[in-house]
Amino acid sequence: GEDVEQSLFLSVREGDSSVINCTYTDSSSTYLYWYKQEPGAGLQLLTYIFSNMDMKQDQRLTVLLNKKDKHLSLRIADTQTGDSAIYFCAESIGQAGTALIFGKGTTLSVSS
Amino acid sequence: DTAVSQTPKYLVTQMGNDKSIKCEQNLGHDTMYWYKQDSKKFLKIMFSYNNKELIINETVPNRFSPKSPDKAHLNLHINSLELGDSAVYFCASSPAGGLADTQYFGPGTRLTVL
Repeated sequence: GEDVEQSLFLSVREGDSSVINCTYTDSSSTYLYWYKQEPGAGLQLLTYIFSNMDMKQDQRLTVLLNKKDKHLSLRIADTQTGDSAIYFCAESIGQAGTALIFGKGTTLSVSS
Repeated sequence: DTAVSQTPKYLVTQMGNDKSIKCEQNLGHDTMYWYKQDSKKFLKIMFSYNNKELIINETVPNRFSPKSPDKAHLNLHINSLELGDSAVYFCASSPAGGLADTQYFGPGTRLTVL
């Protein structure tokens, strides 16, 4: 079945770049997403990429997609303490009413 | 002007009780979802409805029954609550439920079963 894998933890210093990696199994995925969850809060859509793109940049965020290897990454430039959160990679599957398949989330810890 | 709202935000109850969680979206979306996030933060789809019709029903105990009175609401009713039902439940909506649609999430309802 479909599966999305992420490393569970990442620790960086303020000002460094963070790179969060994700692998997925469903080659029919059309859109891949990154969501952010701050402590005690809901899920916030950060960015998404269409599967015919290799890269998408949005301010401090850069998404890279290697469709051949089914590998997705999220790079956060100039990481701030406010970026500390859990980051979920997700792929879309299915037809109408399609669900998102989420990875287990990567906890990003930013130290000053 | 909250987009996707859920009530209550917190719910503490005893085993065996029946409870409901409500979800409303004011985005005019056709599709709504319920996800469960367990204590390890794993998020999994439970149900999705498109225009009040059930589309996805993952392997969820039949103690869980979603109800969609109209396309702006998707409520989750849980019978005979068990300890393992303790989790955060997220409602979401998307315009048409297609692959290109972005899902917008509510703030979550933290259910604690004692």
